[in-house]
Amino acid sequence: AQSVTQLDSHVSVSEGTPVLLRCNYSSSYSPSLFWYVQHPNKGLQLLLKYTSAATLVKGINGFEAEFKKSETSFHLTNPSAHMSDAAEYFCVVRVHGGSQGNLIFGKGTKLSVKP
Amino acid sequence: DAGVTQSPTHLIKTRGQQVTLRCSPKSGHDTVSWYQQALGQGPQFIFQYYEEEERQRGNFPDRFSGHQFPNYSSELNVNALLLGDSALYLCASSLDGQGSNQPQHFGDGTRLSIL
Repeated sequence: AQSVTQLDSHVSVSEGTPVLLRCNYSSSYSPSLFWYVQHPNKGLQLLLKYTSAATLVKGINGFEAEFKKSETSFHLTNPSAHMSDAAEYFCVVRVHGGSQGNLIFGKGTKLSVKP
Repeated sequence: DAGVTQSPTHLIKTRGQQVTLRCSPKSGHDTVSWYQQALGQGPQFIFQYYEEEERQRGNFPDRFSGHQFPNYSSELNVNALLLGDSALYLCASSLDGQGSNQPQHFGDGTRLSIL
């Protein structure tokens, strides 16, 4: 069965410093992985997706993630945090063989950015 | 280009009542998925509709039902409401046939509170 584990429930950084949000996945198949961001009282916005084309995936707002099969990881990074990046971040795996609907979400990592 | 829209934004009900939530997919999309997001948790897949049929279902009881209309919009119905049904309900849309790795687009959700 597929699953994702987000290793930190809360990460706090200072504005202008790097961000690392950690995610490990479990899948018997080559997974489809996504990162979504959720600002307060808002829906989910796609940051980036991994679909086996390239292991380093670039997303919006300076975020990128690297797929590492040997480590079963898909960590999200940003070289310089902005105040507007403060939000909840979800690592997501799509169920193999399932339709586009069956996404499995991690529990989320809340990112705080200090001025 | 209108994104995914959901109504209402907030709703308060009491135990035992029934509720209907509505979703209009992003223009050009034909598939609608529904998710439940409890406070402090990641979203959980409820079910997905395509061609007016429920195509896939998550681990939710029969009290949760849905419908998709010919214009691709969708409703989520919950009967015999329980306190534990209090959550943010998210609708996501996608276009079937674009490949299983296409991401879903989410609405801002309906916040349902059960008293």
